[in-house]
Amino acid sequence: ETGVTQTPRHLVMGMTNKKSLKCEQHLGHNAMYWYKQSAKKPLELMFVYSLEERVENNSVPSRFSPECPNSSHLFLHLHTLQPEDSALYLCASSQLRTGYYGYTFGSGTRLTVV
Amino acid sequence: SQQGEEDPQALSIQEGENATMNCSYKTSINNLQWYRQNSGRGLVHLILIRSNEREKHSGRLRVTLDTSKKSSSLLITASRAADTASYFCATAVRDDKIIFGKGTRLHILP
Repeated sequence: ETGVTQTPRHLVMGMTNKKSLKCEQHLGHNAMYWYKQSAKKPLELMFVYSLEERVENNSVPSRFSPECPNSSHLFLHLHTLQPEDSALYLCASSQLRTGYYGYTFGSGTRLTVV
Repeated sequence: SQQGEEDPQALSIQEGENATMNCSYKTSINNLQWYRQNSGRGLVHLILIRSNEREKHSGRLRVTLDTSKKSSSLLITASRAADTASYFCATAVRDDKIIFGKGTRLHILP
């Protein structure tokens, strides 16, 4: 375990479902991130939270809704997803928002939208 | 376009051989980091080299950085089957998040 825990590991959902991905870190890091990784595409940064404040939102569709209730927890709420949203969703945390010391990643949630 | 670009995109070598991957980037950096990702898992931080460093070692890993050429290389010596993974370089730019490249897929043949 890296210190960043993501649940669930696998998720299959229909296009009309609502589900949430959870990320938890107890490393004392101040920044947390959601990334999307699709097959044969580079990592796509979705959201950045620094000290519980969303500081970046990279043109992500509104069907993805992040939530950061405290510095240790990050959620990604999903609703009315499309099949092209099927991907590996990775959470990461870092000591500083600048990522100067590197990121610690969770193991990811493999999402399949049917 | 990507800040960091790895080369080659894919590499297959025999177990025991050395594997070399390269990364080129465009802007000035604070540091450059290499990550490994096993299939379907998260990325694991391997090594970080600062802009004022030229070479760094960690076990079987050797990283070089040439800021004049804006390039870095990752050498894995005496490769093992467990080294089969994707390897990403990531650049840390002043006051900003790190930017990942597209990765090199390394396959170690038995």
